[in-house]
Amino acid sequence: QVQLQESGPGLVKPSETLSLTCAVSGYSISSGYYWGWIRQAPGKGLEWIGSIYQSGSTYYNPSLKSRVTISVDTSKNQFSLRLSSVTAADTAVYYCARRRDFDYWGQGTLVTVSS
Amino acid sequence: DIQMTQSPSSLSASVGDRVTITCRASQGISNYLAWFQQKPGKAPKSLIYAASNLQSGVPSKFSGSGSGTDFTLTISSLQPEDFATYYCQQYYSYPLTFGGGTKVEIK
Repeated sequence: QVQLQESGPGLVKPSETLSLTCAVSGYSISSGYYWGWIRQAPGKGLEWIGSIYQSGSTYYNPSLKSRVTISVDTSKNQFSLRLSSVTAADTAVYYCARRRDFDYWGQGTLVTVSS
Repeated sequence: DIQMTQSPSSLSASVGDRVTITCRASQGISNYLAWFQQKPGKAPKSLIYAASNLQSGVPSKFSGSGSGTDFTLTISSLQPEDFATYYCQQYYSYPLTFGGGTKVEIK
């Protein structure tokens, strides 16, 4: 059974960098597929942030591209998100998911941007 | 970017009703379309991929159809556990994009 689990700080100060990790179990990232990050602001819809392949190839949402970095650590079977210069508009539940059609999702983690 | 437009944005239906949700892409996406169900406070759950393929474990009351720009998700007989918000998503090209969601409420 494929499982994904997000982890990271639940509170980030404005202008700082949000960092999250997604640990994958039940499937080896090295075996393939894209791995993505999606977020959902309170009461809003879903927004794709970016995706990474096991080789390290990345795609980012143009609206966030200047602030986003996604990386992969195949030895730990996990991938990570960094979002810089955050503002209150970045407050959201952040999800990680497998494949471009997001067949498996993590449970999500709420990140609040506030001083 | 490919824009995904869902309709309606919300609907009220009764248990046992047949419900259809529409998703339209701003340009052709072949069958690179997925559908998700999301309940309050929970992560989205994949229902359908490649427009019409049911994910493993998803009941057959859910079905998807369409190709190109127009797609539908149908729930054949609405049950209490089906009241949720449904999203479509295209994965034909980057950036990956979602529809705005359709909230299915109890009448």
